[in-house]
Amino acid sequence: RKEVEQDPGPFNVPEGATVAFNCTYSNSASQSFFWYRQDCRKEPKLLMSVYSSGNEDGRFTAQLNRASQYISLLIRDSKLSDSATYLCVVIWNNNDMRFGAGTRLTVKP
Amino acid sequence: DTAVSQTPKYLVTQMGNDKSIKCEQNLGHDTMYWYKQDSKKFLKIMFSYNNKELIINETVPNRFSPKSPDKAHLNLHINSLELGDSAVYFCASSQVGGLQPQHFGDGTRLSIL
Repeated sequence: RKEVEQDPGPFNVPEGATVAFNCTYSNSASQSFFWYRQDCRKEPKLLMSVYSSGNEDGRFTAQLNRASQYISLLIRDSKLSDSATYLCVVIWNNNDMRFGAGTRLTVKP
Repeated sequence: DTAVSQTPKYLVTQMGNDKSIKCEQNLGHDTMYWYKQDSKKFLKIMFSYNNKELIINETVPNRFSPKSPDKAHLNLHINSLELGDSAVYFCASSQVGGLQPQHFGDGTRLSIL
């Protein structure tokens, strides 16, 4: 089983659609979880942290299920500017941050 | 002001050469990292330093040698460059403890001819 596994996509959705990404991780001792966004030929940028109780930031909702070792990201009312690769990130122990391979999203007019 | 800055942004060189990439952060973070992102876009950690001490050293060839003169700098020196070293190298930093998210530099695109 991969350390952090994501559906690579690509996801092609129309503007205004709701899209969900999933991520699973192998290390049950993982401590912190994040979603990053990476635009083409750019550096990864933090999108949001993921908390056990679930959290929302505008159109973005993140969920964590520790029992199933599963993280999700929901994007509502997709915008053209949401087109990017979304990286699931898990911190296994101090300093050791593991990235998924990313899920590519294209939002079309 | 750039929080994590890397230089150079682009590096094109021949096989067998030795090159260095510099990284500096002005966020006051104690931990710095080097990542490699290959052509398949998979981002993989190479090294992590906390307060100038090596914390993580993944299975990276010893041709790669990180150097941290102080906690705000983590440079990467690569000896005897090979074709397979072509990739984008990202520097990052985070608050002490590593459970905080990392902030990335904008990458160094290394191409080996």
